[in-house]
Amino acid sequence: DAGVTQSPTHLIKTRGQQVTLRCSPKSGHDTVSWYQQALGQGPQFIFQYYEEEERQRGNFPDRFSGHQFPNYSSELNVNALLLGDSALYLCASSPPDRQNTEAFFGQGTRLTVV
Amino acid sequence: AQKVTQAQTEISVVEKEDVTLDCVYETRDTTYYLFWYKQPPSGELVFLIRRNSFDEQNEISGRYSWNFQKSTSSFNFTITASQVVDSAVYFCALSEAPNSGYALNFGKGTSLLVTP
Repeated sequence: DAGVTQSPTHLIKTRGQQVTLRCSPKSGHDTVSWYQQALGQGPQFIFQYYEEEERQRGNFPDRFSGHQFPNYSSELNVNALLLGDSALYLCASSPPDRQNTEAFFGQGTRLTVV
Repeated sequence: AQKVTQAQTEISVVEKEDVTLDCVYETRDTTYYLFWYKQPPSGELVFLIRRNSFDEQNEISGRYSWNFQKSTSSFNFTITASQVVDSAVYFCALSEAPNSGYALNFGKGTSLLVTP
């Protein structure tokens, strides 16, 4: 049973460009959350998708957007990249049992903006 | 406002020593959940434990134990007889919503180094 998979693992982009990161949740999971982890910091919640809609959003600008597909996979898009967007982006998936079981995290995509 | 505080940035111990990682949280909700995650150098966050606000019972799992005290808003994590493989960054996290899969508020983490 594959866990949460993210692609790509590493990415280098130029300031001002746009980037798309992808996440496939663990089998049986229907909720996907995205987190940004700057170097030396804890992960910060970006947003969460459930039933193809954004259910919750953290304190991130509109340059950060997402999408969830019918198969529950998800994309994170970041427009007009800034140097400060350089970070590890983590995807987490959760099952539909509504009992707040733990979120399962992928290994992340390390984005470097130059 | 920061809701989870991990005051220890880095801890270094020698193998077989016991080590306690501190976590202090802040919330106005009566229903909340506390978590500990381990992040090895590979980057993936590994779930260790979840505790809800109504269950103050301490828990032990092998060499790991957790001490939840609502009176001091603390959820501390102890590793007994530490091993080199325990070296990682450990995060405490708080979740306030009542449904599954909702946002986790993480502390800044404690980097643990266990040397032989």
